[in-house]
Amino acid sequence: GQQLNQSPQSMFIQEGEDVSMNCTSSSIFNTWLWYKQDPGEGPVLLIALYKAGELTSNGRLTAQFGITRKDSFLNISASIPSDVGIYFCAGIIQGAQKLVFGQGTRLTINP
Amino acid sequence: DAGVTQSPTHLIKTRGQQVTLRCSPKSGHDTVSWYQQALGQGPQFIFQYYEEEERQRGNFPDRFSGHQFPNYSSELNVNALLLGDSALYLCASSLVDEAFFGQGTRLTVV
Repeated sequence: GQQLNQSPQSMFIQEGEDVSMNCTSSSIFNTWLWYKQDPGEGPVLLIALYKAGELTSNGRLTAQFGITRKDSFLNISASIPSDVGIYFCAGIIQGAQKLVFGQGTRLTINP
Repeated sequence: DAGVTQSPTHLIKTRGQQVTLRCSPKSGHDTVSWYQQALGQGPQFIFQYYEEEERQRGNFPDRFSGHQFPNYSSELNVNALLLGDSALYLCASSLVDEAFFGQGTRLTVV
């Protein structure tokens, strides 16, 4: 089945640093979504991408839809303590209705 | 505007029992999907409902079934519970591709 490989699995950074994470797949996706999940909560949608090459920002977050349609990355600039959590990429393959999720990137920030 | 709401938030069941989880979608959304999230993993797609029909199904056994009502709310039923069914069950609603999730139901099977 379709799989998304998300990396890194975990990150330990200092407050104020920039963060970068990415997802790759052998399948072509029509839509990429990035979510953040806090403990005991459901995932919260951060950014949605619909076109190859698309670069979209949401405050300090920037995400890009890879030109091959097989990858996406998320950058967080000037990290702050509330950025702590697990970030998931998710994609929708053409003709499918389901979201396929990556394994998540756990972000820890040292103040 | 209420987002996606799920009930109950936590549930403990005994192996072999049956469970029903409920979901109310975000206002204006007509599509509901259910996901299972094991500890430390990404959510896994169970199935999706649209216009009261199951539109797509993931790799889950027939013990997992669902229903969508005319008001778009949905139920997830799991029969003959196994210990391995312990997980966070997430409901997501959408109108097009952007899926919004509820807070989940934490199911523990003992």
